[in-house]
Order: sequence, then C-alpha cells, then structure tokens
Amino acid sequence: DVKVTQSSRYLVKRTGEKVFLECVQDMDHENMFWYRQDPGLGLRLIYFSYDVKMKEKGDIPEGYSVSREKKERFSLILESASTNQTSMYLCATTGTGAKNIQYFGAGTRLSVL
Amino acid sequence: KNQVEQSPQSLIILEGKNCTLQCNYTVSPFSNLRWYKQDTGRGPVSLTIMTFSENTKSNGRYTATLDADTKQSSLHITASQLSDSASYICVVSAYFGNEKLTFGTGTRLTIIP
Repeated sequence: DVKVTQSSRYLVKRTGEKVFLECVQDMDHENMFWYRQDPGLGLRLIYFSYDVKMKEKGDIPEGYSVSREKKERFSLILESASTNQTSMYLCATTGTGAKNIQYFGAGTRLSVL
Repeated sequence: KNQVEQSPQSLIILEGKNCTLQCNYTVSPFSNLRWYKQDTGRGPVSLTIMTFSENTKSNGRYTATLDADTKQSSLHITASQLSDSASYICVVSAYFGNEKLTFGTGTRLTIIP
C-alpha cells in the first residue's frame, strides 16, 4: 500500500520559531512536492524536487526553504515562522512521466501564534 | 494566466441522489485533467486522470467527462452515499518539459440521510 507520511498532524508554534515539516514516502518516487492549502484558495505549490539534493521554487516560496538529502525524505523549513504561515501543509509525490498519479500525505495543520 | 474554476462552491443532496460537479479551465499547453476527492482533514486522493483524447473516465460510481474544445470537465456521482461527503478538486496539468498543476478551489459536497 502506498504511503506518504507527514511527521505531524497538528503543530502549534510561536512567531519567529524555526519550524521543520517532514515528509517520507515509501514508493521510490523521484518527484516530491510541498503545498499549502487555505480556505477559498486552491492548493498552492511552495517547492518541489525532482531528485535528491534538487529543489525548485514553486509559486509561493517566500519564507520557506526545503531539504532533500535522501530520495524518500523531503523537508519543508520555515526559517522564522509568521502568523500568515498558519495553514494546512500537504506533501505529495509522483513517479516520472506524464499522467502519473499524485499521492498525498494526510497533511499538517500548522498554527503560528 | 492558467486558471481552474469549479462550480458550485458547495452542494447538499440527499443520499441516493445523483449530482454533477463542473470544472472550467484555461490552461495551456494542456496535458491532462484530474479529479481528486479530499475528505475533511485529509490529503486529496486521485479519482481520475484524463488526457486530451479521453472523453470519459469512470471509477466506480464516479464518472468524469472532458470536452477539450470547450475546456470543460464534469464529475458525475451516481447513487450518492454518505461517504461521498467531501471536497472535490479539479486539477489541470500543463506540460513544459516538466508538469505544472493548477488546482481549482474545490466543490464541497454534503450528502444528507
């Protein structure tokens, strides 16, 4: 069974804290993605990675960074959390090629106070 | 600018009834169109993926249609069940060497007994 595991379902952090969101997949997929989802807005792409140590900016990378040291793990980092980063964060993976199914984790709901 | 618009924003129907959700898009160059189901507090799950040449795709009681000429898609749910209560997200893929997904904001479907 396919698994994309996000380390936390809920997180509460304070403004200015450094926050790490972890995502692990067991499908040997090359591509991994981080999205945020806010009410009234579609999923928005923050960063993605097509290979180990590779990273590409998505549509809203400001205030975020990522790390992919191993193929199965993709981390999203908030260097200095702010209240406008309160959101649902979703990790996803796909294999290579077109028409690949995208598999999502269960999401991390982050609240920054 | 690539856009995906879904209607209605929300829908309430009685258990056992059918319903149809709509998706209009302006995305190019078009690669494929996907429908996802997202239960509350969970990550999206893929229902169907259709390419330019596919008009209809079924997955159990879910049937998606695609009209690439008018840039419209619909998701028809037959004999609705309480477990169909979820958000349904239309996603359109453009391909520039890499795949770029544009997400709609979703239709929130509630099935009442």
